[in-house]
Amino acid sequence: AQSVTQPDIHITVSEGASLELRCNYSYGATPYLFWYVQSPGQGLQLLLKYFSGDTLVQGIKGFEAEFKRSQSSFNLRKPSVHWSDAAEYFCAVARIKAAGNKLTFGGGTRVLVKP
Amino acid sequence: ETGVTQSPTHLIKTRGQQVTLRCSSQSGHNTVSWYQQALGQGPQFIFQYYREEENGRGNFPPRFSGLQFPNYSSELNVNALELDDSALYLCASTLRLAGATYNEQFFGPGTRLTVL
Repeated sequence: AQSVTQPDIHITVSEGASLELRCNYSYGATPYLFWYVQSPGQGLQLLLKYFSGDTLVQGIKGFEAEFKRSQSSFNLRKPSVHWSDAAEYFCAVARIKAAGNKLTFGGGTRVLVKP
Repeated sequence: ETGVTQSPTHLIKTRGQQVTLRCSSQSGHNTVSWYQQALGQGPQFIFQYYREEENGRGNFPPRFSGLQFPNYSSELNVNALELDDSALYLCASTLRLAGATYNEQFFGPGTRLTVL
């Protein structure tokens, strides 16, 4: 069964500083990997996804993520954080089969941005 | 804004009661998935409906059931509510295309259910 681990429950970062959120996955085949963001009172918004090809993927809002098969990781990064990036971030893996694409999520990392 | 709406926004029920949560998918989307997100945790897959039939289920008991209607709306029903059912319930709609390896899910804002 697939699983996703986000080791950091909370991260506090100063505005303008860089941000890296860790994600490790367990999956028996090449995974489809995602990062979502959830702001208070909002649903989940897709930041970026990795299916295949270039292991460095660019997403919305200036985020990027790097897939490292050898480390079973898919870490999310942003060079310079804005106060509006304060939110909860979820890494997810999808099981690809004809019957549908169930997402398995990690426990999330809450990002706090200091002025 | 994903075009997926859910109602109600918040709901309070007591243990043992039944609840129905509603989701309106994006127009044309033929698949809806429901997720439960307990406080401080990531969403967990409950089940998925494709063309009005259940098409995959997570580790949830039968008292969690659903319906999908031809007009792209769907319902999640939970019977015999327990305290642990308190959570944010998210629906996600998808246009599932034949031959596609992945079809993106668009999430609604969720319904916050509190069971007392």
